[in-house]
Amino acid sequence: DGGITQSPKYLFRKEGQNVTLSCEQNLNHDAMYWYRQDPGQGLRLIYYSQIVNDFQKGDIAEGYSVSREKKESFPLTVTSAQKNPTAFYLCASSIDRYTEAFFGQGTRLTVV
Amino acid sequence: GENVEQHPSTLSVQEGDSAVIKCTYSDSASNYFPWYKQELGKGPQLIIDIRSNVGEKKDQRIAVTLNKTAKHFSLHITETQPEDSAVYFCAASNPNNNDMRFGAGTRLTVKP
Repeated sequence: DGGITQSPKYLFRKEGQNVTLSCEQNLNHDAMYWYRQDPGQGLRLIYYSQIVNDFQKGDIAEGYSVSREKKESFPLTVTSAQKNPTAFYLCASSIDRYTEAFFGQGTRLTVV
Repeated sequence: GENVEQHPSTLSVQEGDSAVIKCTYSDSASNYFPWYKQELGKGPQLIIDIRSNVGEKKDQRIAVTLNKTAKHFSLHITETQPEDSAVYFCAASNPNNNDMRFGAGTRLTVKP
């Protein structure tokens, strides 16, 4: 089945450690996105990529980094510079910005 | 940039009643307006979308209306059922700057 997969579903890390969240899609979509979801704040864009080897900062990119070496994969690294990393992270993909975005099931990151 | 406001933040209706969620956007260049439904612990899924060249779109019990002049669009759910209970997000996409912004979400509860 075609879809977008995030792993793991739950992730715990100690403060000061970098952590990488996985996102893989087999929909042959060019565009991929990372969003952060906090209660009552909707979805805020962290990074997006329109094509392989290219990505752009979203509204809240500070403390995060991404790579897009393959069309299928768009991993997100939450660095120790992110001051409040505990959140629900959603990855999405789409043909472009003006068509349906398909979301993964999300990764809930807890930093203790 | 684009700013999307969504109201109400919570909505409770009796099974069989209608539910209406409203969004306003700020950028008149936005031309794609999707609505997503997010169930607990899952990623959002597209339920309906509308482009700026039409004023209304229906899909069974769900409809979306768009008023470009007033820059607002609404989601209408008729004959609500308990399985409609979820968080609903609106979004607006501007092709000029490759930007899609989400509203803060509405938590809909349908009481049996």
